[in-house]
Amino acid sequence: AQKVTQAQTEISVVEKEDVTLDCVYETRDTTYYLFWYKQPPSGELVFLIRRNSFDEQNEISGRYSWNFQKSTSSFNFTITASQVVDSAVYFCALSGNSGGYQKVTFGTGTKLQVIP
Amino acid sequence: DTGVSQDPRHKITKRGQNVTFRCDPISEHNRLYWYRQTLGQGPEFLTYFQNEAQLEKSRLLSDRFSAERPKGSFSTLEIQRTEQGDSAMYLCASSLGAQRQGRTEAFFGQGTRLTVV
Repeated sequence: AQKVTQAQTEISVVEKEDVTLDCVYETRDTTYYLFWYKQPPSGELVFLIRRNSFDEQNEISGRYSWNFQKSTSSFNFTITASQVVDSAVYFCALSGNSGGYQKVTFGTGTKLQVIP
Repeated sequence: DTGVSQDPRHKITKRGQNVTFRCDPISEHNRLYWYRQTLGQGPEFLTYFQNEAQLEKSRLLSDRFSAERPKGSFSTLEIQRTEQGDSAMYLCASSLGAQRQGRTEAFFGQGTRLTVV
């Protein structure tokens, strides 16, 4: 069975602060993908990043960065210099080879509020 | 707009009525997924199609639920004899086939919010 845990239910930060969203996962699959999605109030899930389990390189994309550590089964997401537009619910997710990579298991989400 | 589109965006229905939702995936995507999201939770997988074939169904998909993708393009999700517990956001997503496991991310629509009263 797969499980994704996002222990932070809600986070509030003041604009321009850095914020890290935590994600811990469990899987027995040998190969898997990890994802982050953003869900603004409009409801649509916006894809942010996909990471293969064999690729532990950290990634930076603009103000976003991701820290994948297989040893601790974590895939944390950091937003640098947060902006009001970053306010949304962020989901960490996992799909593995046992499900043919088709069934994605989502965490319960972290609601981020960036205060101006 | 070439994203995933869902119709309607909102649906209010009385308990016991049938409802049908439609999803139009990104045109070149051969895989289509349905998820359900309740308040404060992440999306939960319901079912998926590769072209017109429904390849997997979750235990969450009771007998009252049926999904089709007759021509491998758009899909419909029907709920018969709706119950209050069916109230949720129903999300559709599509992706390219993962033969080389390269492009496996799913792109989601804005969802259909169902309220059963």
